[in-house]
Amino acid sequence: ETGVTQSPTHLIKTRGQQVTLRCSSQSGHNTVSWYQQALGQGPQFIFQYYREEENGRGNFPPRFSGLQFPNYSSELNVNALELDDSALYLCASSLQGTSGGARFFGPGTRLTVL
Amino acid sequence: QQQVKQSPQSLIVQKGGISIINCAYENTAFDYFPWYQQFPGKGPALLIAIRPAVSEKKEGRFTISFNKSAKQFSLHIMDSQPGDSATYFCAAKMTDLELIFGTGTRLQVFP
Repeated sequence: ETGVTQSPTHLIKTRGQQVTLRCSSQSGHNTVSWYQQALGQGPQFIFQYYREEENGRGNFPPRFSGLQFPNYSSELNVNALELDDSALYLCASSLQGTSGGARFFGPGTRLTVL
Repeated sequence: QQQVKQSPQSLIVQKGGISIINCAYENTAFDYFPWYQQFPGKGPALLIAIRPAVSEKKEGRFTISFNKSAKQFSLHIMDSQPGDSATYFCAAKMTDLELIFGTGTRLQVFP
């Protein structure tokens, strides 16, 4: 059983650019959530995908968007990057409807916006 | 009402001692309370979790104590080891909704 994987590990972009981050779910998991973790803070929920549709969203603007593919892998896209978007972006997978709904996190992508 | 308040912000414990981290919540609809351990440069790893139906759960050296009436829960790390040095996050969740994280506690265990 493979865990959650994310790519790339690190990324440097300039303000105004666009970025795509990728995530592969843990085997057997059908739900993917994305979180943003600023330095020294707890992760903040961005959105969640189930059956290729967004089924929950946190307090993030529309320039944060995502996709989930039939194999349950996922992308996070951020347009018009701002300096405050610099953070660790975490993907978490889970199995919808199971008791507890434990989220299992990947290692994250460190995004730096200059 | 969606916040989870965590304390202390940092904790220094001697090897072999007990580390205690506390969290409080307001929303009584939360039904799942996990603790995550995070090492620098890594994603959070699920450590232990509890549901409101029980007041305590123990896994090895890690114990969650849950007080439903006070809306508080805590993580106890017995016989703390230098390898336990990490940042610990409490979290809360309603069924199939997102995790709400606390602000984290940086634990340092000295030999």
